[in-house]
Amino acid sequence: EAQVTQNPRYLITVTGKKLTVTCSQNMNHEYMSWYRQDPGLGLRQIYYSMNVEVTDKGDVPEGYKVSRKEKRNFPLILESPSPNQTSLYFCASSPSPGLAGVEQFFGPGTRLTVL
Amino acid sequence: GESVGLHLPTLSVQEGDNSIINCAYSNSASDYFIWYKQESGKGPQFIIDIRSNMDKRQGQRVTVLLNKTVKHLSLQIAATQPGDSAVYFCAENGFQKLVFGTGTRLLVSP
Repeated sequence: EAQVTQNPRYLITVTGKKLTVTCSQNMNHEYMSWYRQDPGLGLRQIYYSMNVEVTDKGDVPEGYKVSRKEKRNFPLILESPSPNQTSLYFCASSPSPGLAGVEQFFGPGTRLTVL
Repeated sequence: GESVGLHLPTLSVQEGDNSIINCAYSNSASDYFIWYKQESGKGPQFIIDIRSNMDKRQGQRVTVLLNKTVKHLSLQIAATQPGDSAVYFCAENGFQKLVFGTGTRLLVSP
């Protein structure tokens, strides 16, 4: 089954404790992206990757890191989480962005709480 | 700056009614729009899209209308069912990213 998977689905942590949220897709997509979803703000892009070893900042990259060493994986790293990073996070992938008719597939989400 | 927003945060309808969800966008250069459905506890799911050279596009029970003059997009759901209850987002497929609106929650009562 074609899908985007994220782990963990739920995470409660404390300020300053480094964490990684994994994202994997099995569709051989070149493009992958991370979004955070907050009430009243919708989905905002954190980072994206056009292909292996190519990553770029989205609209809200502060406090986050990513890496793209393999085509299928795109982990999101919070080196020193803070309470304002409490949010619902989504990973997404697509064959290529910015093209009409190209669907972006989303993972199930990771709910992160930073105390 | 560019923005994609929604007029109403919550829409309540009766089962069997038609639903209309609206979206305004500000980037007149946008050439492609998408509607997503997000059910509770799940990621956004593609519903229907429309290119800027079209005014209307129909799918199964859904229709998207695009009015470029007033930069307005709408999603019409015919014969709304309880399974349609979700949050609906419009999105603009810009360069290398999607720009999402804040979403409208659709509540369908029996």
